[in-house]
Amino acid sequence: GNSVTQMEGPVTLSEEAFLTINCTYTATGYPSLFWYVQYPGEGLQLLLKATKADDKGSNKGFEATYRKETTSFHLEKGSVQVSDSAVYFCALSDSGGGADGLTFGKGTHLIIQP
Amino acid sequence: DARVTQTPRHKVTEMGQEVTMRCQPILGHNTVFWYRQTMMQGLELLAYFRNRAPLDDSGMPKDRFSAEMPDATLATLKIQPSEPRDSAVYFCASGNWEHYGYTFGSGTRLTVV
Repeated sequence: GNSVTQMEGPVTLSEEAFLTINCTYTATGYPSLFWYVQYPGEGLQLLLKATKADDKGSNKGFEATYRKETTSFHLEKGSVQVSDSAVYFCALSDSGGGADGLTFGKGTHLIIQP
Repeated sequence: DARVTQTPRHKVTEMGQEVTMRCQPILGHNTVFWYRQTMMQGLELLAYFRNRAPLDDSGMPKDRFSAEMPDATLATLKIQPSEPRDSAVYFCASGNWEHYGYTFGSGTRLTVV
């Protein structure tokens, strides 16, 4: 079956530091890949996506590249802010845009200190 | 911005009681999902509907959980009888299957004591 593995948290960084959150996946076929962000007390929000190999998704300074050869989709940001503190979820869908639901990783709690 | 609305936001109930959670999806969205979030299991897909028809509920304990979509503006998730292990945050999400990404509600935090 499908699965997503994320690095364990919490990840604590200082403001303006470089961020990497690792994500690897197992899936049949050619899944679409997503990063979602969850702020305290809220639902998940789509951060970025990539639908085929070598695609780069980007939004709000965050980037992730779909690497088929390493089955990875690592999230990066060059300079984090306190407002980036949240839980980040990597997810995949093996049905295009997620028509049959998403498989999520366990989430990585990111804490940015001023 | 359009929102997915879930009610109630918080629910504390005693074991054995019936619990009903409601979701108002975004108008025009043809797909509605129910997810459950716990610390141990993370996010689990419970059930989903497309054009109000149930497509998959294999993630739900069949003996106590039921999901319905009586009309396009309302999806419900019921637990009867509730058990302490059902304590979790339940999320509803809606979207169109042709497009990528779904909009999540703020969740219902259920505590069964």
